Amino acid sequence: DQQVKQNSPSLSVQEGRISILNCDYTNSMFDYFLWYKKYPAEGPTFLISISSIKDKNEDGRFTVFLNKSAKHLSLHIVPSQPGDSAVYFCAANPPGAGSYQLTFGKGTKLSVIP
Amino acid sequence: DAGVIQSPRHEVTEMGQEVTLRCKPISGHNSLFWYRQTMMRGLELLIYFNNNVPIDDSGMPEDRFSAKMPNASFSTLKIQPSEPRDSAVYFCASRLMAREAFFGQGTRLTVV
Repeated sequence: DQQVKQNSPSLSVQEGRISILNCDYTNSMFDYFLWYKKYPAEGPTFLISISSIKDKNEDGRFTVFLNKSAKHLSLHIVPSQPGDSAVYFCAANPPGAGSYQLTFGKGTKLSVIP
Repeated sequence: DAGVIQSPRHEVTEMGQEVTLRCKPISGHNSLFWYRQTMMRGLELLIYFNNNVPIDDSGMPEDRFSAKMPNASFSTLKIQPSEPRDSAVYFCASRLMAREAFFGQGTRLTVV
């Protein structure tokens, strides 16, 4: 049973426009969420995170929104650039002392068209 | 710090052979993870160590897979005997407490 779901395998966006990547989760006890970016032949790299006590976190062109009632988070990239073309993974951390296991979604491949 | 270091980057082996993947986590990190990436399953957690102790190995697909962490700076993932369906990219990641996890470059395993 997938606890973290990214229902869109791919997304294409024009350069300069907004990219919105979505993620849903089933475990309401998750308390920390992360987004990772992955280029081909490289390992995933951390992008941005959000704690469950917040509903928004912003870092430059990247903003993550968390809607706890809907168990949904989204990553907004504005403006999108060709270098943003990559696979984006959503990840969640369960609560509890010593629980450092991350559960990942299957990823969404973003293509930013020049 | 050089980040999480995995070796080898690529491994091609024949079915039935033993394969050992290696990982050096970031110094000071107390958690280490082995993930497998496939098209079907995405990033799948195989096993997770905390302070060198295996905490959750429920993701290890079969008894053919085993992982060890003899000390805080080294871990291995072994497949014996290997099968073609084990072909995938295997990632190691390390983490300090509840901070973000850092991934290695991965090992692309091909079993023919």
